[in-house]
Amino acid sequence: RKEVEQDPGPFNVPEGATVAFNCTYSNSASQSFFWYRQDCRKEPKLLMSVYSSGNEDGRFTAQLNRASQYISLLIRDSKLSDSATYLCVGRPMDTGRRALTFGSGTRLQVQP
Amino acid sequence: EAGVAQSPRYKIIEKRQSVAFWCNPISGHATLYWYQQILGQGPKLLIQFQNNGVVDDSQLPKDRFSAERLKGVDSTLKIQPAKLEDSAVYLCASSPGWLGTEAFFGQGTRLTVV
Repeated sequence: RKEVEQDPGPFNVPEGATVAFNCTYSNSASQSFFWYRQDCRKEPKLLMSVYSSGNEDGRFTAQLNRASQYISLLIRDSKLSDSATYLCVGRPMDTGRRALTFGSGTRLQVQP
Repeated sequence: EAGVAQSPRYKIIEKRQSVAFWCNPISGHATLYWYQQILGQGPKLLIQFQNNGVVDDSQLPKDRFSAERLKGVDSTLKIQPAKLEDSAVYLCASSPGWLGTEAFFGQGTRLTVV
């Protein structure tokens, strides 16, 4: 089983829609989690960190549920510019091996 | 602030040839990573350096892949000999090295093995 699993999509939504992505993880070791965004043929870039208390950044809301081992990302009022692949990412917090572990990504296509 | 620099951007080689990629991390970043991203998949860690020491190379195919970071700054990743399945984007990333800090990625080198 992969450490971080995502639905690959694609999610095709109209502009203005609300869309949610989920991600599950299998490694119960203490980790921090992130959502990265990757545009076509570009490098991944940090979108936001994910906290158990939930965090919001404009139209984006991220949530972590450690009991159920899943992470979510909610995008409200989708824009054409939100079209990209969203990567769910985990990183161990308690070892020197702090490399990011990526899911396969969920592709979002926002349509006019 | 300059980002992570990688070269070349693109490389096409025949199978069984060798190839090398170069990465210059953000100045002052102690941690450097090499990732392999196959089309349609998320990046997979190949190797992690802390300064010039290897922290994790458990997923590096050591029979054909090698990497070094001699002076704790620049790094090179080499493949010798290349196989068709090595076709991928090779991403270099760096971070300052302390807990909770994001990793910054270079634009990657797109390798095609024919």
